[in-house]
Amino acid sequence: DTGVSQNPRHKITKRGQNVTFRCDPISEHNRLYWYRQTLGQGPEFLTYFQNEAQLEKSRLLSDRFSAERPKGSFSTLEIQRTEQGDSAMYLCASSFGRSTGELFFGEGSRLTVL
Amino acid sequence: AQSVTQLGSHVSVSEGALVLLRCNYSSSVPPYLFWYVQYPNQGLQLLLKYTSAATLVKGINGFEAEFKKSETSFHLTKPSAHMSDAAEYFCAPAGNTDKLIFGTGTRLQVFP
Repeated sequence: DTGVSQNPRHKITKRGQNVTFRCDPISEHNRLYWYRQTLGQGPEFLTYFQNEAQLEKSRLLSDRFSAERPKGSFSTLEIQRTEQGDSAMYLCASSFGRSTGELFFGEGSRLTVL
Repeated sequence: AQSVTQLGSHVSVSEGALVLLRCNYSSSVPPYLFWYVQYPNQGLQLLLKYTSAATLVKGINGFEAEFKKSETSFHLTKPSAHMSDAAEYFCAPAGNTDKLIFGTGTRLQVFP
């Protein structure tokens, strides 16, 4: 399957711990996006990359959050000193970057902070 | 900034009935408008998109949406609901960066 892959699918952690999520986009896509979705809400934009460059970050992305895409392929989203409010589904998506507007989403990584 | 309003967080219909999910965008016309669907425990999937080529857009699974500039609307319809249509539906505009700004979503329930 050559879709967007996210790992781990589920993560349970204690408050204060660090967590990292990985996203492998569709191979020929040069844009990669991170979204966060909480129960009953639509996905909220966090950040996006074009190749390895992080071009935009939402104000939702506090200093505890950092995202990288070191070689323009896979991306990681790290959350430091997790808080209970970080509990959410973290979604990754990728696109060709030709301004067609179509994103291809992974199944998400669900974070539960105890 | 682009935004959308989805009226009705929950919509319930009987199998075979008309499905109407409402979406109104902000006053400025976005380059693209989308409907995405999220089935339980699955990722978001593109249902259809508006790109100004045609005001009536047909998507997958029998869904369609009509762009009405005078009403700033992009409502999603399906003539006859099927049980498998039960899911969460999101309306989203996008600009030239492909970044989607999602609405709050509408959960569709279909009863037999």
